[in-house]
Amino acid sequence: SQTIHQWPATLVQPVGSPLSLECTVEGTSNPNLYWYRQAAGRGLQLLFYSIGIDQISSEVPQNLSASRPQDRQFILSSKKLLLSDSGFYLCAWSRTGNEKLFFGSGTQLSVL
Amino acid sequence: AQKITQTQPGMFVQEKEAVTLDCTYDTSDQSYGLFWYKQPSSGEMIFLIYQGSYDEQNATEGRYSLNFQKARKSANLVISASQLGDSAMYFCAMREGPLGTTSGTYKYIFGTGTRLKVLA
Repeated sequence: SQTIHQWPATLVQPVGSPLSLECTVEGTSNPNLYWYRQAAGRGLQLLFYSIGIDQISSEVPQNLSASRPQDRQFILSSKKLLLSDSGFYLCAWSRTGNEKLFFGSGTQLSVL
Repeated sequence: AQKITQTQPGMFVQEKEAVTLDCTYDTSDQSYGLFWYKQPSSGEMIFLIYQGSYDEQNATEGRYSLNFQKARKSANLVISASQLGDSAMYFCAMREGPLGTTSGTYKYIFGTGTRLKVLA
């Protein structure tokens, strides 16, 4: 069966520090990968999606970047965090030809 | 422009009653899919139900049903016999695509959610 792992679960970082959130999918190959952000009490905003290794599409201009160095690994990064980067980050995957989107357990990021 | 609209920020329902959560969408695609996800306080996103644009019958999954009205572009979620464990945030979502030249690869757009509270 397929599983998605996302870590860390919580993170507190000072403004201006770097960020690296990692997501890996097991049990499938060539998944479509997604990063979403959920601000407090708000909906999910699509940040990045990837249909293959090194193929990253950005949905909104921002302080964040994404990379996919391996087929089942998706990384969300920032060189210098801003207060506005605080939120709940969710990694998700889907299989080409399958409708459903599967989510990781999320990372609660607080930038202070 | 908002592609998924959930106009109810919060809803209350009495235990064992039915409740309808509203969702309208906007797309020019002929083929699309609509989803509902549940997010309890733990933050995990739980898939509830899916409706394809070409499906003629409304989707049902246990106590969940999706009232799909294509001409009105609405995809309301109906929860029957509400339980205390149904208290959560509910998100409506639509898949858009395909992305690039890869058929079957989509991106998913979410609404702002409805917080449901079931009262004992």
